[in-house]
Amino acid sequence: SAVISQKPSRDICQRGTSLTIQCQVDSQVTMMFWYRQQPGQSLTLIATANQGSEATYESGFVIDKFPISRPNLTFSTLTVSNMSPEDSSIYLCSVNNRGSAGYTFGSGTRLTVV
Amino acid sequence: GIQVEQSPPDLILQEGANSTLRCNFSDSVNNLQWFHQNPWGQLINLFYIPSGTKQNGRLSATTVATERYSLLYISSSQTTDSGVYFCAARGGGNKLTFGTGTQLKVEL
Repeated sequence: SAVISQKPSRDICQRGTSLTIQCQVDSQVTMMFWYRQQPGQSLTLIATANQGSEATYESGFVIDKFPISRPNLTFSTLTVSNMSPEDSSIYLCSVNNRGSAGYTFGSGTRLTVV
Repeated sequence: GIQVEQSPPDLILQEGANSTLRCNFSDSVNNLQWFHQNPWGQLINLFYIPSGTKQNGRLSATTVATERYSLLYISSSQTTDSGVYFCAARGGGNKLTFGTGTQLKVEL
């Protein structure tokens, strides 16, 4: 299975600022996925990032708030822009492994906005 | 899209007890996985099991695809088993949909 390095692992940010989260994969993958997990809730897909094209956002998520970069087949970033306390969540990236291993997730970024 | 439901939402066990967690899904699946989220938020893949039965130590899982459910069995539970267990499924397309989770607490 792919191994994903995600950073930062946690951060505390002031409202109105932006944070960029990075995910590095140890193999080339076509798609990378970004999820949000609000406190006490399940995981919700934010967007799917393809290399060389704009990300595809799920209903309720917009590019201005969550811009995504996918410069190559092993790397992606998610930016949480103009943050408010409601953005306090765990953010995770994921890839779909080839074969029968399913999806692998990064270790997550625990964001607190104050 | 596919709907995923889990039960029970919360479970408290004494160490050494056995338990069964259930996941129901609304459509045929190409991918079904069980994850354990530890208290630090890390999501650990337990099983990739779109059909059939698998076992890994004290854990085992069974998916009956024709009846659209999956079960996760935990035997001889330990305090380190505590955390949230998620079932996630993918039907058509690439989107993996998560259930609402089962919060498990194992007490001494």
